[in-house]
Amino acid sequence: QVQLQESGPGLVKPSQTLSLTCTVSGGSISSGSYYWSWIRQPAGKGLEWIGRIYTSGSTNYNPSLKSRVTISVDTSKNQFSLKLSSVTAADTAVYYCARFLVVEYYFDYWGQGTLVTVSS
Amino acid sequence: QSALTQPRSVSGSPGQSVTISCTGTSSDVGGYNYVSWYQQHPGKAPKLMIYDVSKRPSGVPDRFSGSKSGNTASLTISGLQAEDEADYYCCSYAGSYTLDVFGTGTKVTVL
Repeated sequence: QVQLQESGPGLVKPSQTLSLTCTVSGGSISSGSYYWSWIRQPAGKGLEWIGRIYTSGSTNYNPSLKSRVTISVDTSKNQFSLKLSSVTAADTAVYYCARFLVVEYYFDYWGQGTLVTVSS
Repeated sequence: QSALTQPRSVSGSPGQSVTISCTGTSSDVGGYNYVSWYQQHPGKAPKLMIYDVSKRPSGVPDRFSGSKSGNTASLTISGLQAEDEADYYCCSYAGSYTLDVFGTGTKVTVL
């Protein structure tokens, strides 16, 4: 059973960089046709796709966040990471990591989510 | 790319059927058969319920079904049960630039 777990600071100051890591267990991040993705959800609001990375290192980002987002992968640690720069209060949200199945086109496994608050 | 449009809420009594719409454009919902639906209970991660418009993953009850007509996809829950009370989100491929876009979300209430 594949499991994903987000980790990182729960509080980030405005203008700084938000950094989160997703650790994958129960399977290799390098195997299969998957994109490893980040999605966020502000309190009481809907889901927003942030971006994704293939194990080759190929990335895709939400155009509205592209200038501030970097997603990377560390196959030796079975982890992938999110960096979001120049954060504001609008970036306060629960951040989820998820596995995306390329062939069938859906998110099949999700992390439990981690709340990141942007505040001074 | 704007979020796909869903009704804010729908409700029904146990045993009834409810349908949630997900309206997009010819650039997303109408252009591809890559619509998926996710159920989210409070404080929990989303769970896949339907993919590729109408396919149901193993373990999802067959009272959940999906369809699409033009630029609008729909999720129908037949024989509504108390545990179906949750938020539901659609998601669609939106082309090689935008990629994936979620719906605004619908709260299903079991009366």
